[in-house]
Amino acid sequence: KNEVEQSPQNLTAQEGEFITINCSYSVGISALHWLQQHPGGGIVSLFMLSSGKKKHGRLIATINIQEKHSSLHITASHPRDSAVYICAVSRNTDKLIFGTGTRLQVFP
Amino acid sequence: EPEVTQTPSHQVTQMGQEVILRCVPISNHLYFYWYRQILGQKVEFLVSFYNNEISEKSEIFDDQFSVERPDGSNFTLKIRSTKLEDSAMYFCASSATGNNGYTFGSGTRLTVV
Repeated sequence: KNEVEQSPQNLTAQEGEFITINCSYSVGISALHWLQQHPGGGIVSLFMLSSGKKKHGRLIATINIQEKHSSLHITASHPRDSAVYICAVSRNTDKLIFGTGTRLQVFP
Repeated sequence: EPEVTQTPSHQVTQMGQEVILRCVPISNHLYFYWYRQILGQKVEFLVSFYNNEISEKSEIFDDQFSVERPDGSNFTLKIRSTKLEDSAMYFCASSATGNNGYTFGSGTRLTVV
């Protein structure tokens, strides 16, 4: 069983739609990370959070430590948001443990 | 904004050949990592490096792999005798303190033929 599970695996949306990607984990963590992987392969860190909620532009990330669950929301989605969104967890200075990613396509 | 730089971006090598993948982490970062991603699969941890030594390695990181920080700026991953199954995207990452976020390089796509 994967330590980090994401859903859905694939997601298509029309421009302007509100998008939610979910992540559940089964291990103790010090932080949860949301990452974006572009079609060319590069990985960009979007958020690191250990409690509550963070917002950056149209992106919002929340975490519920008790339920071991996090969500990434994209408001007013745009075709340039099309990418793979990856949830990963870390424990102190430990490595990242990655989920399988959610492939998002936003159509105009 | 500071970047993690990886070279080369693409490398094609014959099976059995040695390859060295290079990374220049962010200058004041202390924790360094190599990850790999086989096409269509999730990113997997290979090795972490702190204070000039390996702090953790995965079962993937066998005797064919080694890492080095030869000159205080570069961080290299060497694969001694490449196999077909080593074909993957290899990512270097660095972190200032190991628990305040990670910066990834843009990756090296390794193809073993």
